[in-house]
Amino acid sequence: DVKVTQSSRYLVKRTGEKVFLECVQDMDHENMFWYRQDPGLGLRLIYFSYDVKMKEKGDIPEGYSVSREKKERFSLILESASTNQTSMYLCASSLGGTISYEQYFGPGTRLTVT
Amino acid sequence: DQQVKQNSPSLSVQEGRISILNCDYTNSMFDYFLWYKKYPAEGPTFLISISSIKDKNEDGRFTVFLNKSAKHLSLHIVPSQPGDSAVYFCAARGNQGNQFYFGTGTSLTVIP
Repeated sequence: DVKVTQSSRYLVKRTGEKVFLECVQDMDHENMFWYRQDPGLGLRLIYFSYDVKMKEKGDIPEGYSVSREKKERFSLILESASTNQTSMYLCASSLGGTISYEQYFGPGTRLTVT
Repeated sequence: DQQVKQNSPSLSVQEGRISILNCDYTNSMFDYFLWYKKYPAEGPTFLISISSIKDKNEDGRFTVFLNKSAKHLSLHIVPSQPGDSAVYFCAARGNQGNQFYFGTGTSLTVIP
């Protein structure tokens, strides 16, 4: 069974704090993704990575950065949290190539920035 | 601008009847489509997919139909069961490798 775990289910941070969201997958997947889910907007891609140390911007990368030092771990960093970054953050992973495009998601981290 | 749209935020269906969830997209270059199901407090889970070279894919109670000329896909669930109550997202693969565009979701309630 593929497992994607996220470091926290709920997180409350103050405006201006640096925030780290960690994601780990145990299936040796090449691709990893960070999304945020907001009411009425669905899932929007922040960043994705198709290999260690490689990253690509998604649709809404502003205010975020990522790090992938090991294949199984993909971190999302909010350099200076703002209230408009209050959201549900979802990490996902998938196999590389064209074998399958199915993404496996973690349970999500609900981040509140006050 | 939303490239994948699910215009019905919610849908209620009686148990045993058919549920039809709809999804429209704007980019004719999308070549692969997936449906995910999401329960509260859980991440989305993959349900069924379809390549743009097909117009139908079936898996048990779930069937996805693709109409490329209309840029429309639909998910049929027959018969609907109370355990199907969840939020359903459609997603489309862009022409930039592994980037996917998700719709806004439709909340399905199956009434026993």
